[in-house]
Amino acid sequence: KAGVTQTPRYLIKTRGQQVTLSCSPISGHRSVSWYQQTPGQGLQFLFEYFSETQRNKGNFPGRFSGRQFSNSRSEMNVSTLELGDSALYLCASSPITGQGAYNEQFFGPGTRLTVL
Amino acid sequence: QQQVKQSPQSLIVQKGGISIINCAYENTAFDYFPWYQQFPGKGPALLIAIRPDVSEKKEGRFTISFNKSAKQFSLHIMDSQPGDSATYFCAASMGSNYQLIWGAGTKLIIKP
Repeated sequence: KAGVTQTPRYLIKTRGQQVTLSCSPISGHRSVSWYQQTPGQGLQFLFEYFSETQRNKGNFPGRFSGRQFSNSRSEMNVSTLELGDSALYLCASSPITGQGAYNEQFFGPGTRLTVL
Repeated sequence: QQQVKQSPQSLIVQKGGISIINCAYENTAFDYFPWYQQFPGKGPALLIAIRPDVSEKKEGRFTISFNKSAKQFSLHIMDSQPGDSATYFCAASMGSNYQLIWGAGTKLIIKP
């Protein structure tokens, strides 16, 4: 099976712009989570989607949003970019089938976003 | 109460030595404790995981020790090798909410 893919791998934007990142999960995985990784803050959970519904949300401002499509592919959008949004954005998919059980998360290589 | 505290932030170990990374948690509802390994330029990957009904789990050179009463768990890497140099994250989750709560990470360097 192909792993989790993320596009683009690298992105440079300027303050005030918006950006859309894409994630294709492992075939058959219905849950997709997004994380922001920075040297100072570690892995910060953004949100999780399951069957096109946002099930969990981290503590990020409304400028960060996401969605999931019927084929489980997911996108996240950041509007009005700030310098502090520079980070590695990681997507992880999981074969979670429902509540009450934990399944391994499989991470993609990430999208490195630089905001100038 | 949702935090997972990981230490040390960085660790240098000689080749062949034992690497030990510790994590502590407060929420007694956590019932799943994975360790992830991340190499530069890659996303994290599951290394080993444990549930609180056992005190130790071993997979090759990697061992998780779990102390339920102290609310602590640790990763031991025996006979550490330069290829083990990576960032290690502990995490925790609870059955009713499978969202992972992450530690801050430990950068491990194994000196040849």
